[in-house]
Amino acid sequence: AQTVTQSQPEMSVQEAETVTLSCTYDTSESDYYLFWYKQPPSRQMILVIRQEAYKQQNATENRFSVNFQKAAKSFSLKISDSQLGDAAMYFCAYRSAVTQGGSEKLVFGKGTKLTVNP
Amino acid sequence: DGGITQSPKYLFRKEGQNVTLSCEQNLNHDAMYWYRQDPGQGLRLIYYSQIVNDFQKGDIAEGYSVSREKKESFPLTVTSAQKNPTAFYLCASHTRGGNQPQHFGDGTRLSIL
Repeated sequence: AQTVTQSQPEMSVQEAETVTLSCTYDTSESDYYLFWYKQPPSRQMILVIRQEAYKQQNATENRFSVNFQKAAKSFSLKISDSQLGDAAMYFCAYRSAVTQGGSEKLVFGKGTKLTVNP
Repeated sequence: DGGITQSPKYLFRKEGQNVTLSCEQNLNHDAMYWYRQDPGQGLRLIYYSQIVNDFQKGDIAEGYSVSREKKESFPLTVTSAQKNPTAFYLCASHTRGGNQPQHFGDGTRLSIL
């Protein structure tokens, strides 16, 4: 079974600075998808960024980018120019590209709580 | 606007009582999911459904039941067999195939009276 590990339970960053959140995963599959979700205090889960394992190019969405290292099974999230609104729990998630028994379920890490200091 | 609606936002359960959490989506998604979130645990999968009238157990299905009679609806019943039901429950859905992300509702907070 696949597992996702977020080794940093909490992180903090100064406003306008850059922060990197770590995520590693364990899988024997070669084709899969990776996601970062943000959960602000409102508790709504919001997709931040996604990456297909077959793509070598790292995904980027405005101030958010990833460093995808397939061989190392690492998928870190970099937030540039941090803003107060970035304060939230961040979850890394894995999904197999092979639908075993029809399942396309996500496997989540335990999350990293990001605090942004003014 | 399309989205996922969960109700109620807050729910209280008495001992020995079954309660049902509602999840409705108007995104025309085939796949729907129920997750439980506890502090420090991340999200854990309770049940999922890939198509109407079919569903499968997730990692922590004991004490829960679901139905999928309509494409738009995937209600979750927390039965009296679930001894520790206090948690935040999230419903999600997505279009099957490819890298389509799951979309989430706003959640239901369930507490024991």
